[in-house]
Amino acid sequence: QQQVKQSPQSLIVQKGGIPIINCAYENTAFDYFPWYQQFPGKGPALLIAIRPDVSEKKEGRFTISFNKSAKQFSLHIMDSQPGDSATYFCAASKGGNQFYFGTGTSLTVIP
Amino acid sequence: GAGVSQSPSNKVTEKGKDVELRCDPISGHTALYWYRQSLGQGLEFLIYFQGNSAPDKSGLPSDRFSAERTGGSVSTLTIQRTQQEDSAVYLCASSLYGDSNQPQHFGDGTRLSIL
Repeated sequence: QQQVKQSPQSLIVQKGGIPIINCAYENTAFDYFPWYQQFPGKGPALLIAIRPDVSEKKEGRFTISFNKSAKQFSLHIMDSQPGDSATYFCAASKGGNQFYFGTGTSLTVIP
Repeated sequence: GAGVSQSPSNKVTEKGKDVELRCDPISGHTALYWYRQSLGQGLEFLIYFQGNSAPDKSGLPSDRFSAERTGGSVSTLTIQRTQQEDSAVYLCASSLYGDSNQPQHFGDGTRLSIL
């Protein structure tokens, strides 16, 4: 059973657009929701993370929106650039000892 | 280097052989995680080490998989009698305390191919 469901599987936007990636979860015990960025041949790198007591968090051009009642969270990338082209994973954790990852979204930003 | 180091970066072996994958975490990190990433899939949790506590092995897919962490630092993931379905990228991550507040730092993985 997939603990974290991620969509879309792939996304293509023009430079300057705002891609949005969505994730949904079922387990209300999850207390930490990170997003990772992965380039080909590299390991995932933490982008931004949020806890359920906050509805939005922004770091640079990356924003997480969190809807606790709907058990959904999303990543928005403002003013997207070709260098943002990568695979993005959402994840959820309870207590930090086990992380459940979404299946990933392949983002392509066209110049 | 200061990051998580994994070796080998690529491994090709025949079905039925045993393989060992190595992970050197960031110095001082007490928590260490192993994941498996299959093509087009997310990361599948395998095992978690936290300090001197008993590891959480709940993600290991079969008894052919085992892992050790010696001296609270280097970890080795062993796959015995490899099968073709074991082909994947195996990722290791470490974090300072294994607490939710601590980000995981990933290595670049070992790409395992079983012929």
